Amino acid sequence: DQQVKQNSPSLSVQEGRISILNCDYTNSMFDYFLWYKKYPAEGPTFLISISSIKDKNEDGRFTVFLNKSAKHLSLHIVPSQPGDSAVYFCAAREWTSGTYKYIFGTGTRLKVLA
Amino acid sequence: GAVVSQHPSWVICKSGTSVKIECRSLDFQATTMFWYRQFPKQSLMLMATSNEGSKATYEQGVEKDKFLINHASLTLSTLTVTSAHPEDSSFYICSAGYGQNTEAFFGQGTRLTVV
Repeated sequence: DQQVKQNSPSLSVQEGRISILNCDYTNSMFDYFLWYKKYPAEGPTFLISISSIKDKNEDGRFTVFLNKSAKHLSLHIVPSQPGDSAVYFCAAREWTSGTYKYIFGTGTRLKVLA
Repeated sequence: GAVVSQHPSWVICKSGTSVKIECRSLDFQATTMFWYRQFPKQSLMLMATSNEGSKATYEQGVEKDKFLINHASLTLSTLTVTSAHPEDSSFYICSAGYGQNTEAFFGQGTRLTVV
């Protein structure tokens, strides 16, 4: 059962406009959420994170919003740039027996059109 | 920022042989390392979590005798794919974290092809 879901496998956005990537989760015990960007044949690169006790975190062009009641988070990129084209994964941190792990969503491929 | 180096980047091996993949944290001490596997156009599937000096915790469905994980020091973890078969061909990625720091840092990944 997929605990972290990204229901949109792909998204195309015009350069300069806003990109909104969505992520839903089922486990209310996740305490931290992260967004990663990944290019083919490379490891993911950390973008931005948010604690479960907050509802917004902003870093430059990237803003993550968390709606705990809806178990939903989103990543906003504005303005979008062609270099933002990549696969974006959301991830959630889960603690079990004193250790933690990250559960990843299925990814959304973002294409920013020049 | 924290750097995680994974080696090799790609490897081709014959069916039945074993392959070792190394994951090193270059500028921090990784108390926890994670090993993931990614199939084409799919998510990163967590295989196991290892803490320095202790046995790895494997996710359900991952054969511990097939995928041997060693985390002998705070800067090095290895994944050995034993008696590799073509179905083990995949992209393997490690990540490392320290303390309760929130983000994990990823290596570059290893493309394994078993022929």
